[in-house]
Amino acid sequence: GENVEQHPSTLSVQEGDSAVIKCTYSDSASNYFPWYKQELGKGPQLIIDIRSNVGEKKDQRIAVTLNKTAKHFSLHITETQPEDSAVYFCAATMNRDDKIIFGKGTRLHILP
Amino acid sequence: GAGVSQSPRYKVAKRGQDVALRCDPISGHVSLFWYQQALGQGPEFLTYFQNEAQLDKSGLPSDRFFAERPEGSVSTLKIQRTQQEDSAVYLCASRPLAGGREQFFGPGTRLTVL
Repeated sequence: GENVEQHPSTLSVQEGDSAVIKCTYSDSASNYFPWYKQELGKGPQLIIDIRSNVGEKKDQRIAVTLNKTAKHFSLHITETQPEDSAVYFCAATMNRDDKIIFGKGTRLHILP
Repeated sequence: GAGVSQSPRYKVAKRGQDVALRCDPISGHVSLFWYQQALGQGPEFLTYFQNEAQLDKSGLPSDRFFAERPEGSVSTLKIQRTQQEDSAVYLCASRPLAGGREQFFGPGTRLTVL
C-alpha cells in the first residue's frame, strides 16, 4: 500500500523567515496530495492541496510543489508568523472515495 | 455553518471496558471516515462509509473495533474490551457528495485506557 514519509519531524524558524517541509510517497497511483495543519486539541484542517496534473500551487504565503517523477512534494511557507506554529501533515490519496495516507507530521515552531 | 462534531471529547476507560464514540458529520455529507491518531503520529485510516454502507473497513485493527452509521448520518465507533494500546485520539471526517476531495475533520475524541 501507499507509504508517505515526511521530514523534518521538528522545525524551528525565526519569525519572518521561510519554512520548508518535504515528503515522499511510494505509490505512483496516488493523484491527490493535501496538506493539513493541526493545532493542539483540534482536528486537522486542510491548508492547501495539489493534484497530480499540476506541478505547483500557491495561496498567499503558502505554496506546494509536486515532482511526480521523483514522487516528492513539498510545502513552503514564506514570511512565517507566530500563528503558523502547529503540526503540519502531508498526505496522499488515490481516489476520491479513498482513505488519506498521512505522513508522521512536522512540528513547526516560529521563534520570536 | 456547524462543522463535524464528536462526543465525548475525552474518555477514560478501564482496561476491558467497552466504549462508544460518536460522530456527527456536517449536514448532508455523504462520506464519513474514521481515523486513529496515536500520540505524536499522523492519523491512520480505520473505516469509511458512504451513506449507511460501510465500504472499507480494512483499517480496523481487530474484531474488537466496530463502526456503524445506520441512517447514513451519525456514526458510532465502538471498541469492545479496551486495551491500553487503544489509547489514542479518534478522528472523524466527512465529505459532501459533490465538490472537491477535501475531508473535513472533527476535533476528535481522546481515549485513555488505564
